[in-house]
Amino acid sequence: KNEVEQSPQNLTAQEGEFITINCSYSVGISALHWLQQHPGGGIVSLFMLSSGKKKHGRLIATINIQEKHSSLHITASHPRDSAVYICAVVSNYQLIWGAGTKLIIKP
Amino acid sequence: GAVVSQHPSRVICKSGTSVKIECRSLDFQATTMFWYRQFPKKSLMLMATSNEGSKATYEQGVEKDKFLINHASLTLSTLTVTSAHPEDSSFYICSAYDGRDYSYEQYFGPGTRLTVT
Repeated sequence: KNEVEQSPQNLTAQEGEFITINCSYSVGISALHWLQQHPGGGIVSLFMLSSGKKKHGRLIATINIQEKHSSLHITASHPRDSAVYICAVVSNYQLIWGAGTKLIIKP
Repeated sequence: GAVVSQHPSRVICKSGTSVKIECRSLDFQATTMFWYRQFPKKSLMLMATSNEGSKATYEQGVEKDKFLINHASLTLSTLTVTSAHPEDSSFYICSAYDGRDYSYEQYFGPGTRLTVT
């Protein structure tokens, strides 16, 4: 079993839909990152969380430390949100990566 | 926010040659830099961790003589792929953070796409 599990692996939705991507982890962490990778490869850091909830524009990230679970939500999704979303946790000063969720938003 | 740059963004080289990729932290001092490799349709794989002024720590299975890492200053780490082969073609990404502020905030470079012909 991987230490960081993401679900779903793939997600296709229509423009405007509310999107949720989940991340569960089994190790002790000091922080959790949500990252975005567009085709072409460049990685953008969306959020770093250690507790609670953060919001940036249409993106919302939450984390429940007791349940070892985090979610990334996208409201009013748009085709430009199509990308791979990666959850990565910081454990013992190392990053442990999830496998990523490939999101496709259709117009 | 903090910025990490990589150079070059794309490189094509012939088999047998060596390629150097630079990772720079532009507005902060990076005590630690990580080098990742991404295979097509796969997640990122950590290759090595480099701390400024000391030898890099390589992950199991990564050849240290093939992937030379130098972290000579707090703003620059380099990855040199020596005697490159087509199977070294990949996307290489660095990340950096300042371990002294305990924020665990890592900043990612935009990546370098290496193609070995």
